[in-house]
Amino acid sequence: QLQLQESGSGLLKPSQTLSLTCAVSGGSISSGAYSWHWIRQPPGKALEWIGYIYHTESTYYNPSLESRVTISIDRSKDQFSLKLRSVTAADTAVYFCARGATAPTYFDYWGQGTLVTVSS
Amino acid sequence: DIQMTQSPSTLSASVGDRVTITCRASQRISSWLAWYQQKPGKAPKLLIYKASTLESGVPSRFSGSGSGTEFALTISSLQPDDFATYYCQQYSSYYTFGQGTKVEIK
Repeated sequence: QLQLQESGSGLLKPSQTLSLTCAVSGGSISSGAYSWHWIRQPPGKALEWIGYIYHTESTYYNPSLESRVTISIDRSKDQFSLKLRSVTAADTAVYFCARGATAPTYFDYWGQGTLVTVSS
Repeated sequence: DIQMTQSPSTLSASVGDRVTITCRASQRISSWLAWYQQKPGKAPKLLIYKASTLESGVPSRFSGSGSGTEFALTISSLQPDDFATYYCQQYSSYYTFGQGTKVEIK
């Protein structure tokens, strides 16, 4: 059974960089059939797709966040990571990692999510 | 950007009721639509993809329909475990979600 688990910084100050990692177990992140995504959900609000990466390191980002986002992959550790620069209070959200099939796709496996709070 | 609009925002229903949630896309997305169920503090769970294909393990009381710009999720007989928030998601061009429909106990 595939499992995804997020980890990383939970409390940030404005202008800092958010860094999260998603560890994948029960399957290989190097499988060519899948894409690896980050999605976030501000408290009480809807889901917002952030971006994804393939095992080839090709990346695709939400145009509204593209200037601040970097997603990377470490195939040797079966994990992928998110960096979001220059955070503000508007970036406060639960951040999920998820698996998709070859894009465009839906998301069939999700991590439990991790809350990131941006506050001065 | 493709905008997804769900209705209603909140739906009050009783166990055994047949409920339908609708999702409208701002432009045609063929059948590239998924539905998710989310409970408080949990990750979304995939219910349906390609508008009407039931994900493995999802009860058959859930069904999806539609294509183009108009879609629906129907629960044929609401069960206690079904009280949750439901989201539609398009994957025709990038990825966007609806704002959610909360199904609450009447």
